Amino acid sequence: GAGVSQTPSNKVTEKGKYVELRCDPISGHTALYWYRQSLGQGPEFLIYFQGTGAADDSGLPNDRFFAVRPEGSVSTLKIQRTERGDSAVYLCASSLGTENSPLHFGNGTRLTVT
Amino acid sequence: AQSVTQPDIHITVSEGASLELRCNYSYGATPYLFWYVQSPGQGLQLLLKYFSGDTLVQGIKGFEAEFKRSQSSFNLRKPSVHWSDAAEYFCAVGAGGTSYGKLTFGQGTILTVHP
Repeated sequence: GAGVSQTPSNKVTEKGKYVELRCDPISGHTALYWYRQSLGQGPEFLIYFQGTGAADDSGLPNDRFFAVRPEGSVSTLKIQRTERGDSAVYLCASSLGTENSPLHFGNGTRLTVT
Repeated sequence: AQSVTQPDIHITVSEGASLELRCNYSYGATPYLFWYVQSPGQGLQLLLKYFSGDTLVQGIKGFEAEFKRSQSSFNLRKPSVHWSDAAEYFCAVGAGGTSYGKLTFGQGTILTVHP
């Protein structure tokens, strides 16, 4: 079966622009997570959805970052007024949402802000 | 706040040699511990996890890890490394429960395997 799909795989944008990053989780997975991985670092938690609602958004760095999951499946991470420091790989993961159910990660979207 | 330290940024071993990657964590309660592997351009893949019970856990690809509460460590081991094991390895800690997938990762250890 298909894994977690993230599009685009690469995105180059200019400072100040708005970007949207998409995540298609594995079918039937109710939990969805966004992480950000900067160069040379481990992934950092951004936000977690259980169904349609954001159960924990404590990792979002500021109000320029926002994520939605309107139908409980596909999620979009939105970044306004991008800054060069937003350059990173944005990872999405999904799971069945129960304890012990493993996270399945996508290959990520590499965002470069010039 | 929870944290994970992987002291070795880069490790080089010869194919067939044994491997140990170090991981130290800081967490106030019983941690949920994980090791992930990331190959270039690929997503993170779970190698193994520890929640409770036997402190020596077996994972995929011949890896194992041992939880040592007294040392706050969760080191990853493999008795004989294969060239295909070259990748970046991440240790992670979580709280479990409803925050099961909210993990704190270490900065990673890059493994190079020489033929």
